[in-house]
Amino acid sequence: KQEVTQIPAALSVPEGENLVLNCSFTDSAIYNLQWFRQDPGKGLTSLLLIQSSQREQTSGRLNASLDKSSGRSTLYIAASQPGDSATYLCAVPFGNEKLTFGTGTRLTIIP
Amino acid sequence: DAGVIQSPRHEVTEMGQEVTLRCKPISGHDYLFWYRQTMMRGLELLIYFNNNVPIDDSGMPEDRFSAKMPNASFSTLKIQPSEPRDSAVYFCASSAFGTYNSPLHFGNGTRLTVT
Repeated sequence: KQEVTQIPAALSVPEGENLVLNCSFTDSAIYNLQWFRQDPGKGLTSLLLIQSSQREQTSGRLNASLDKSSGRSTLYIAASQPGDSATYLCAVPFGNEKLTFGTGTRLTIIP
Repeated sequence: DAGVIQSPRHEVTEMGQEVTLRCKPISGHDYLFWYRQTMMRGLELLIYFNNNVPIDDSGMPEDRFSAKMPNASFSTLKIQPSEPRDSAVYFCASSAFGTYNSPLHFGNGTRLTVT
């Protein structure tokens, strides 16, 4: 059974700082890893999808890396802004189209 | 594209009543998923469809839950009769080629409260 862990559960940083969010998974036989953000009262927004053959994926100020052998992925956010405040979740597919989600990291950017 | 559209946004009902949640996926997406989110259990996959056909409903809690997808642009999740423990946020999501090959796009959810 695939287990996905995100530590820390919450993180507060001053605006402008670069930061890293962590995601760990137990089964390294993954097809891809997806990062989402969830704003309060909203659905999840897909940020990045890294295929198992890739090492990293970039979108704007976001960069996600994947190390299958160690069962880890990181989401790097450069020059953080208050609008980046949200809960960030990682997820990996397993079995029959099911996504196993991490418990999320609640990020607060302090103006 | 308008994204995944769900209705209603909020639903408050009394125990025993029937509840119907609605979803319009992104046009052209072949996969549709229904998830439930609670503080205690996080996100749970209830059921998913591929080309309008239900593929895996093993996450549906019990027979009180049913889902249909009569065409490529519409799906419903029905709870009958509803119970207080069904209170949660229900999300619909769609994907072009499935979770192994494409990202998942979520609607804004329906917050269900059963009293």
